[in-house]
Amino acid sequence: DGGITQSPKYLFRKEGQNVTLSCEQNLNHDAMYWYRQDPGQGLRLIYYSQIVNDFQKGDIAEGYSVSREKKESFPLTVTSAQKNPTAFYLCATARGNTEAFFGQGTRLTVV
Amino acid sequence: AQSVTQLGSHVSVSEGALVLLRCNYSSSVPPYLFWYVQYPNQGLQLLLKYTTGATLVKGINGFEAEFKKSETSFHLTKPSAHMSDAAEYFCAVSDLNSGGSNYKLTFGKGTLLTVNP
Repeated sequence: DGGITQSPKYLFRKEGQNVTLSCEQNLNHDAMYWYRQDPGQGLRLIYYSQIVNDFQKGDIAEGYSVSREKKESFPLTVTSAQKNPTAFYLCATARGNTEAFFGQGTRLTVV
Repeated sequence: AQSVTQLGSHVSVSEGALVLLRCNYSSSVPPYLFWYVQYPNQGLQLLLKYTTGATLVKGINGFEAEFKKSETSFHLTKPSAHMSDAAEYFCAVSDLNSGGSNYKLTFGKGTLLTVNP
């Protein structure tokens, strides 16, 4: 079954901890994106990648890190340097300049 | 740098009324344009897209949008609202990033559509 899988669906982080959000795809898409969604803010781009072993910072990359070691996987780490990490995180994929396909999201909460 | 502006963070219509959600973009080159819909606690689903060709594009669930280059707009319309249309709608633009090496997808802040019975 083709698609994008984000896990976990809900994640709780203690202050000062790093956490990693998973995004896996079997659509064979080259491009992968991470967005953060806050109420009233829309979707803000964190990082994106067009090919393996290459990625670019988006508009709000500070406090986040990514890797792209495989075409299928684009994990996002929320580091302790991110002071306000509570948000809904969405992973997306695309083939070239075509439309993006989205996962179901991970809701991260700091406790 | 590209940007997307959605006029009105919240639009309320009556069931059966016209839906009009506004989107303006800025881009240095002809962009690809998209409208997405999001239901609570879910990912985004593509409604329609403009790439090239006909400027009036039709999407799912009776929605359509018109690309107007002179106005840099891509407004979303539906002739008759249904209760199931209540959701948040996002306009997005895709074009090359400043380095010219990668496509970057930028979203507006979204418009929450409420449909009243």
